[in-house]
Amino acid sequence: AQSVTQPDIHITVSEGASLELRCNYSYGATPYLFWYVQSPGQGLQLLLKYFSGDTLVQGIKGFEAEFKRSQSSFNLRKPSVHWSDAAEYFCAVGANSNSGYALNFGKGTSLLVTP
Amino acid sequence: KAGVTQTPRYLIKTRGQQVTLSCSPISGHRSVSWYQQTPGQGLQFLFEYFSETQRNKGNFPGRFSGRQFSNSRSEMNVSTLELGDSALYLCASSFEGRGEKLFFGSGTQLSVL
Repeated sequence: AQSVTQPDIHITVSEGASLELRCNYSYGATPYLFWYVQSPGQGLQLLLKYFSGDTLVQGIKGFEAEFKRSQSSFNLRKPSVHWSDAAEYFCAVGANSNSGYALNFGKGTSLLVTP
Repeated sequence: KAGVTQTPRYLIKTRGQQVTLSCSPISGHRSVSWYQQTPGQGLQFLFEYFSETQRNKGNFPGRFSGRQFSNSRSEMNVSTLELGDSALYLCASSFEGRGEKLFFGSGTQLSVL
C-alpha cells in the first residue's frame, strides 16, 4: 500500500533562511507527487506537482521540489523564507486504481518563521 | 472562475444527530472527492464521485455517505454523529479525477458536542 512520511512535525526557520521539508513515499510505481500548503482554517493550496519528466519541479511562491526515485523522496525547498510562508505543509501521493483515484497525505509539517 | 465552494463553513451538532455537507466544484469539473482532517489522523480520504457514481471509497464506516448530482455538486452525510467525527471536512474537485491536481475548498468545520 502506498504511504507518505513527513519526518518533521515542526520546523522553525529564520526569515531569509533557506528551507527544506522532507517527504518520503512508498509506492510500487512512479506516483503522482504533490506538495500542498494550508493556512490556519483554510483549505489546501497546491504548491507544485510531479507526474513525470524533469525531476526538479518549480512551483508557486518560489518553491521547488526534487523527485529522487532512488531515495523515494520528494523534498520541498525554498532558498529564502518569508514570514508569510508560515503554514502547514503536506506532501501527498496520488494513485489511480481500478476503483478510482485518491490522494494519500503525509501528516504534515508545521513551519514557523521567526524574525 | 469560481473555486470550490463548501457550505456551511461551520457546524455544531450533538451526538446522535446527522449532518449534511455541501460542495460545489469548479465549473466543468466532474470529479469530487471528500477528505476528513483531524489533528490526530491528519488528512484521510473519504470517497470520490464521478458522473454521479461513487468511484472510490476510503476506510470509513457506513455512517459516512455521499452523493453527486447531475450538475456535479456533491453532498456528504454523516449519520449518528460521534464525538470523534469532529473534524474539518474538505471537498476537492478535478476534471476527471485521474491524476491531475485537486482543487480544494476551504472546508466545513464540524464540531460534535
